[in-house]
Amino acid sequence: EVVLTQSPGTLSLSPGERVTLSCRASQSISNNYLAWYQQKRGQAPRLLVYGASSRATGIPDRFSGSGSGTDFTLTISRLEPEDFAMYYCQQYVSSPRTFGQGTKVEIK
Amino acid sequence: QVQLQESGPGLVKPSQTLSLTCTVSGASISGGAYYWSWIRQHPGRGLEWLGHIYYTDSGSTYYNPSLQSRLTMSVDTSKNQFSLKLSSVTAADTAVYYCARGAYYFEYWGQGTLVTVSS
Repeated sequence: EVVLTQSPGTLSLSPGERVTLSCRASQSISNNYLAWYQQKRGQAPRLLVYGASSRATGIPDRFSGSGSGTDFTLTISRLEPEDFAMYYCQQYVSSPRTFGQGTKVEIK
Repeated sequence: QVQLQESGPGLVKPSQTLSLTCTVSGASISGGAYYWSWIRQHPGRGLEWLGHIYYTDSGSTYYNPSLQSRLTMSVDTSKNQFSLKLSSVTAADTAVYYCARGAYYFEYWGQGTLVTVSS
């Protein structure tokens, strides 16, 4: 099973700041089979990025994904008030599909 | 627009079977090369993929090995629904259960339903 470790656990930031979230895999993820999700309290996760860097339909371009191998990053270029939420990475290179434990982006 | 909606009991007794159904609208379960998944989230914790099913006469399935012995998924194409059964539940199965479309990444999700295991 591929273990995904996200860091940091919590980020305290202000609107307008740039955010970089990290996701590290226990083994190499070929074909960049990695996705990112945003989850707000009481809601289902929302797909942001798949294939490590492809934005899902309707996702603003302030969200960008990058990385390869075992190290992946989600960047939010300029935080908007609606971006304060939990963020999860997920791999689909092998089964079972696994998620990271999440990073919370909170208002400073 | 693809929409998914979970339904089922919100309270299940220990040792019994948890049964949930996901109703899909805006897309046909039997149309296109889509898989249909179940994912759960324990209170205040991360996400756990349970398994997926592909429509066929027999329903091709893949389950998370950690739950394989207790899981059964099925598809009802006539109702455009797919279902989850988890047997011999314990308090550790208390979670929000989501249905979603996809076998790789998950683009469409239901709103989730909280299932509590308690006597």
